[in-house]
Formats: sequence, structure tokens, C-alpha cells
Amino acid sequence: GAGVSQTPSNKVTEKGKYVELRCDPISGHTALYWYRQSLGQGPEFLIYFQGTGAADDSGLPNDRFFAVRPEGSVSTLKIQRTERGDSAMYLCASSQSKTSEQFFGPGTRLTVL
Amino acid sequence: QKEVEQDPGPLSVPEGAIVSLNCTYSNSAFQYFMWYRQYSRKGPELLMYTYSSGNKEDGRFTAQVDKSSKYISLFIRDSQPSDSATYLCAMSAWSGAGSYQLTFGKGTKLSVIP
Repeated sequence: GAGVSQTPSNKVTEKGKYVELRCDPISGHTALYWYRQSLGQGPEFLIYFQGTGAADDSGLPNDRFFAVRPEGSVSTLKIQRTERGDSAMYLCASSQSKTSEQFFGPGTRLTVL
Repeated sequence: QKEVEQDPGPLSVPEGAIVSLNCTYSNSAFQYFMWYRQYSRKGPELLMYTYSSGNKEDGRFTAQVDKSSKYISLFIRDSQPSDSATYLCAMSAWSGAGSYQLTFGKGTKLSVIP
């Protein structure tokens, strides 16, 4: 079956703008994670969804970041008032359950000018 | 001190060599251990997933976990140029806030020279 997909693959925006990044998990996977990866670093956890609810948002850096998963499948990560420091690869992962293997999508590379 | 330490390399080996990649960690609560391979500008690809101490083999790849020493390893036998990538170790534990979020090392960049 299809893996995790993410759109867009690249996003260039200007400082202060609003962006939305989309994640389509593997069909049937109830757990969904967002991570952020800066150049030369490993991914860092942002937020976890079990079904429709954000069960753990402890990794979100500040209140400019928000994510939703209204129907328990597709998720959108939203960033308001973007800053140059938000430039990174944003990765989405899904798993069958919260303890199962996490499978990653190809990522969205965000560049804030 | 970071929770997961991984030598970033770069590591360069000739084709056919055995490659050894390692991570150490400080959080004894980590229960699940993974190795991911990441090609440039792509998402991480899961290679190995283990729970207990000991060895797990899959083709040319062997993962080792030593919980008493807080040390994990990935061995690649008969390395190929297509193995050239960044290798990330990752581990997880119950976060207390509802998830088994992954904590990653920085990744080791491997080049296999033909």
C-alpha cells in the first residue's frame, strides 16, 4: 500500500506569513507524529495525535505552531507569523499504534526568507 | 549532555567492508530502539526495530542493544555504494504526556567508496 505522503515537498515563504503543511498517513494508522529536522541534526518531536485528538503537544516550540487532525486521518501543521528560524524539514510519521514502528513521509522543506 | 549521543562522522569505507555504527543514551526508561536510513533531502526510512537487549538480524543488517551499558549498534555487512546515507538511531519511552515520541541521535553520515 501507499506510504505516508506530505505536501508540498517544498515551501518558500516570507517572514511573517502563514503556512500550512499537510500529512496523509498510511491507511489505518491511528497514531500520527510531527517532527522537525534542522540541517545536520536528528528530527525533534513536535506533536502526537491518537485518532483526532492531540494527545501530546509538548514539543511545539511556541503558540505560533498548531496542528489538527479533524477526521483522524489527514493532519495539517499550521505555522503563523513565520520566522527565519522556522526554516527546516518538517516530517510526519504514522504508526498502527502508539508503541509500533513509526514510518516517515518524505517531508516538507520549509524556507522562510 | 544530550539524551542520545551519536558520532556524526563522516565515516568513509571501501565497498565490501563491515560498517559499525553506534549510539549511547542516558535515559534508562528507553524501551524501543530503531535505526533509520536517510538519503539526502528525503525522509527517514526504517531499517531495524527492536525492543529487548540482544541481537536482531535482517539481511545484511544486524542491530544490537545492550541496555545495561545503554549502548546500541548497527552493523552493515558487505557494504555497497547504495548504503551511502545518513544513519539515525532513535529510541522511545512512554513520555508521560501520552506518546512514545522518538528521540534521535544527530545521525552518522556514511560513504561507501566503490
